[in-house]
This record gives sequence, C-alpha cells and structure tokens, in this order.
Amino acid sequence: TQLLEQSPQFLSIQEGENLTVYCNSSSVFSSLQWYRQEPGEGPVLLVTVVTGGEVKKLKRLTFQFGDARKDSSLHITAAQPGDTGLYLCAGDNYGQNFVFGPGTRLSVLP
Amino acid sequence: DTGVSQDPRHKITKRGQNVTFRCDPISEHNRLYWYRQTLGQGPEFLTYFQNEAQLEKSRLLSDRFSAERPKGSFSTLEIQRTEQGDSAMYLCASSLMDTEAFFGQGTRLTVV
Repeated sequence: TQLLEQSPQFLSIQEGENLTVYCNSSSVFSSLQWYRQEPGEGPVLLVTVVTGGEVKKLKRLTFQFGDARKDSSLHITAAQPGDTGLYLCAGDNYGQNFVFGPGTRLSVLP
Repeated sequence: DTGVSQDPRHKITKRGQNVTFRCDPISEHNRLYWYRQTLGQGPEFLTYFQNEAQLEKSRLLSDRFSAERPKGSFSTLEIQRTEQGDSAMYLCASSLMDTEAFFGQGTRLTVV
C-alpha cells in the first residue's frame, strides 16, 4: 500500500513569516500534486511536479520534487492570512489513482 | 464548462436510507474519480472510471457503495442503507488520461 506522510500536521505562524511543509513516501510516483483546501470545499490544485529535482514557483510558493520522486516540499515566503488552509500532497500512481497525504493545516495569524 | 460540478452540496439523511450523488466532470476529461474525506484526513480513493469503464472498484468501502458512469460523461455514486459512519465529504475529480486531477466542491453527507 502506498502511503504519503506530511509534516508538520499543524502549523500556526504570524503573518510575514516563512514556512516549509513536507511530503514523504517510500514509493515512487509518476508525478506529485499539491492542493489547498478550505473548510467545506474541494481541494484546489496548486501545482504538479513531474521530474525528479524539479522546482516550480507560484508567486510566494516554491515547490520542489525530490530527485528520487518520492518526496516533495512546499515553501511559502512571507505568509499571509489568505494562505490559511489545508495543504494536501497527492502522488499519481501511474494513472491508476491519486494517493493523498493527511495534509498540513496551516493557520496564518494577522 | 468551468470545472467539476457535484450535486447536491449537502445531504442529510436518516440511517438506513439510500442516497445518490451526481458528478459532472470537465467535459473533455475521460477519467473520473470518487474520493471520500473524513474530518482531519486527506481524501481516500474509492473508485475511478476511464470513459464508461470502471477500472478500479476494489477500494469501495463495502457492497453498499456503487458507482456508475453510463455514457462516459456524468457519474453517480450510490450508498445503500446508509450508516452513521458514512457521514463524510464525498469528492469527485476528473482528469485527462495521465494528467493532474481537478476536484469538485464535494457533497457533504450527514447520516442521522
């Protein structure tokens, strides 16, 4: 069974601080997605990383895929209250399904 | 077509009743996925379709759960004889073959 672990589980920071959340697995995925989810809503896709070592930037968010395609990180610079939410990583199981981690719940306080 | 659409957004039902949820995927997407999400957890894969073919259904939680996609477009997820433990958010997603999945807003089921 493929499992994705995410850390930390919860994170509460002040506006303006930087943070990094992690997504780890013992399995190799063909690609990995990061989603953000707000209460009562479905996950919203932020980015897909495909190549080992790939780095993608989305404004203040930087995503990195590990060289072995088993892990990923999300770094947020100068966090804002609007960044608050549940951050989910999902590994693409070679087109069969998407395996999700339990998420990191981020709270950015003004 | 602006995205994946799910209906209803919320459903309250009495224990023992049957419920059916509908998902309309992004029109050109040939893959459709169903997930369940309970409080504090990430989405849990249930089943998926490629066009009208259900390619994986072993992860459906019990034989009370079934899904269809009769014409390869919209899909329905049915839960028979609902139990309180079925209370959760049911999420639908769609994708083009081996690309990323886009999710709907979900159907929140409460079994009382």
